[in-house]
Amino acid sequence: GQQVMQIPQYQHVQEGEDFTTYCNSSTTLSNIQWYKQRPGGHPVFLIQLVKSGEVKKQKRLTFQFGEAKKNSSLHITATQTTDVGTYFCAGPKGSSNTGKLIFGQGTTLQVKP
Amino acid sequence: DAGVIQSPRHEVTEMGQEVTLRCKPISGHNSLFWYRQTMMRGLELLIYFNNNVPIDDSGMPEDRFSAKMPNASFSTLKIQPSEPRDSAVYFCASTAQGGRHKTRTGELFFGEGSRLTVL
Repeated sequence: GQQVMQIPQYQHVQEGEDFTTYCNSSTTLSNIQWYKQRPGGHPVFLIQLVKSGEVKKQKRLTFQFGEAKKNSSLHITATQTTDVGTYFCAGPKGSSNTGKLIFGQGTTLQVKP
Repeated sequence: DAGVIQSPRHEVTEMGQEVTLRCKPISGHNSLFWYRQTMMRGLELLIYFNNNVPIDDSGMPEDRFSAKMPNASFSTLKIQPSEPRDSAVYFCASTAQGGRHKTRTGELFFGEGSRLTVL
């Protein structure tokens, strides 16, 4: 069945270092969304990418959608302790635009101050 | 806006007991989703409602699980009888598909979750 995979599963960095998480889908996606879940919290929407090769930035976060629309990445420059949490990518389940999302397993980021 | 509201936040019960989780979606949202989160399986979509009608329940684990949405502002997820392997955090999420309340990007708005422990 349709799968969305993320690597790495965990990442420990020193504050100030960069961080990247990668997302790969078994199928071509019409769009990809990214969410952040703080420890003990709930997933919160960060961004949606729609176009092939699209790059979007939010302050220190850079999101990229692959040319084939099957992969994506999130890069954080100069991590801060507030970046701690689990980052999920999610793609539409199936081909219809119903809002149903399949989530990757997430990458949990730990930042040492 | 109050956001998606879930109750209870925490539930501890014994195997065999009935569990009912509740969700109030954001007003104006017409799509509601129940997700289950565990360390082993991550976030799994259990069931999806659109305009109060269950559209896709293929993620519901087995007959012990049932979900209802009697009106646009309320949904329940019931487990009867509960088992230890049902222990997880259950999230409800809503979004607006089409119509004047359509969310710009189709993002899901999650509640704070119900942490279920079945002993």
